[in-house]
Order: sequence, then C-alpha cells, then structure tokens
Amino acid sequence: GAGVSQSPSNKVTEKGKDVELRCDPISGHTALYWYRQSLGQGLEFLIYFQGNSAPDKSGLPSDRFSAERTGGSVSTLTIQRTQQEDSAVYLCASSRTGGGLFYEQYFGPGTRLTVT
Amino acid sequence: AQSVAQPEDQVNVAEGNPLTVKCTYSVSGNPYLFWYVQYPNRGLQFLLKYITGDNLVKGSYGFEAEFNKSQTSFHLKKPSALVSDSALYFCAVRLYSGAGSYQLTFGKGTKLSVIP
Repeated sequence: GAGVSQSPSNKVTEKGKDVELRCDPISGHTALYWYRQSLGQGLEFLIYFQGNSAPDKSGLPSDRFSAERTGGSVSTLTIQRTQQEDSAVYLCASSRTGGGLFYEQYFGPGTRLTVT
Repeated sequence: AQSVAQPEDQVNVAEGNPLTVKCTYSVSGNPYLFWYVQYPNRGLQFLLKYITGDNLVKGSYGFEAEFNKSQTSFHLKKPSALVSDSALYFCAVRLYSGAGSYQLTFGKGTKLSVIP
C-alpha cells in the first residue's frame, strides 16, 4: 500500500519568507509526527498529533513553527519568517494506535528545506 | 534524565564479517526500543522493536537486536554484513512526554560502512 508522502521534496526559500510543508500519512494511521533532521544531528521531535486530541507541541523550537492536521489525515507544518538555522530535512511519520500500545512509526522521504 | 545514546559515530566492518551497532538507554519503567535505518537520500525505515518477551528480537534484512536489561543496552547485530547494509542507523526509545502522550527519542545515529 501507499506509504507516507511529503511535498515538496525540496524547498529553497529566502530568509524571512514563510513556508508550508505537507504530509500525507498512511491511510488509517491515527498518529502523526513531525521531526527535523539537521546535518550531523539526530532526529529532533517537533510535534505529535493523535486523533482528535490536542497535539503535543513540546518539541517546536519557537513560535515561528506551527502545524495543523485537518480531518485527522493530512498535516501541514508552517514555518514563518524563516531563518538560516531552519535549514534541515523535515520528516513526517505516522503510526497506528490503539489498545494502549505504542506502534512503530513509518516515515516519509522528507522535505529538504534550504533557507538562503 | 531519560535518554538514548549511540556511542559510536561510525562503524566500519568488512563484508561477510559480523556487525554490531551499539545503543544504550536510560528510561524509567519498561523500555520500548526501536531500530531504524536510513539509506542515502531516503527516509527512515523501521527495522525491529523490543516491547516485551524474548530478549533477542529479529527484524528486517537479517538484522537482530539483543535487549540486555542489566546493561541497559539494545545492540543491533547481523551475522554477515553486506555492502548494501551501508547506511545510517538510529536507535530510538519511547519516552513519556506528559498528558498521556508518548514520543520517540532518537540517538544521534551511527554510520555503518561495509567494506568490500
């Protein structure tokens, strides 16, 4: 079946501009995660959506970052007034949930963001 | 503090030799542990997980991992390395982030190079 998809695959933007990154999770997966992977760094958790519950925003690095998930499916990560330090690969992942269990996450190919 | 660590930035192994990629963790309660692999210019792929049960967990592509509670380790292993195993490997642990929410925390990754 179809995996997690992300768009665009690459985005180059000028400092100060806003960007939107999109994630389409695997159908039926109720949990959705955003991560950031910077060169030489591991994965940094950004935000987590679970069904209709309030999202866990504890990983967002500043108030310039926000995300929403519409209809429990597609998610958009928005970065306002981009800075050069925002340059990274942004990864989206989704997983099943239920029964109090924690399931493995399936990752999309990522969006490589370059802020010039 | 709860965390996961991969003590080696890089591991080199000759093709056909056994390989080990190390991971240690520090969590309260029972750990949920995961291994992911990232091939060049691709997203992360799930390899295997330990939730409970047998300490030796078998996963994709012939990989296995051994959970050792006394040493708080979850090392990834493969009996005979292939050149195609060359990739970036991430260990991850489930951490409680509050308000009923869990998230995966990743190690910084270990680059595995299999030499022909």
